[in-house]
Amino acid sequence: QPVLTQSSSASASLGSSVKLTCTLSSGHSSYIIAWHQQQPGKAPRYLMKLEGSGSYNKGSGVPDRFSGSSSGADRYLTISNLQSEDEADYYCETWDSNVGVFGGGTKLTVL
Amino acid sequence: EVQLVESGGGLVKPGGSLRLSCAASGFTFSSYSMNWVRQAPGKGLEWVSSISSSSSYIYYADSVKGRFTISRDNAKNSLYLQMNSLRAEDTAVYYCARDRPSDPWGQGTLVTVSS
Repeated sequence: QPVLTQSSSASASLGSSVKLTCTLSSGHSSYIIAWHQQQPGKAPRYLMKLEGSGSYNKGSGVPDRFSGSSSGADRYLTISNLQSEDEADYYCETWDSNVGVFGGGTKLTVL
Repeated sequence: EVQLVESGGGLVKPGGSLRLSCAASGFTFSSYSMNWVRQAPGKGLEWVSSISSSSSYIYYADSVKGRFTISRDNAKNSLYLQMNSLRAEDTAVYYCARDRPSDPWGQGTLVTVSS
């Protein structure tokens, strides 16, 4: 079963860009993942599905500021022109034979 | 609008039972697999269980296997989670979510297991 590894925290300034990383465990580098955003006190929100090729499909209403990319076992979420409302927890998700797996989440602070 | 609304959470004593429901609307419920995901206070997301569109395939996390039962009623556009032998470590907000990847998510329902 795959394991997803995320840094526990990240920070960046208002209006700047930040790149969050989700790393797939050995032997699972080709897996598709999804990124989710959880703002304080709210339910998670689906952002995008991201393939190993770097191709991604965003959810409905997700701003253009959010993009995805991949390199080997790493899956990235880049947020450009950071806004205060982007301060949230970000989780990656994958699945293996219908068993779900989540990363530990990255808490993003907008300075 | 695609919407998922959970209900049934509450305070229950250790060893007790609770049944969660998730009402779906805005899409053809019977065409999608469904999931339960939980989040303990201050912690990350944990996948709990999944069920295929026709209930043919059901999966559980090891932490709940043998205690929780997922089910669905496609005629009622509803998903359920029967939770038995509850433990303190089952305390969490429980979310239902559609398909893989999980999209969308419900607003969650809080389950507190405490004496």
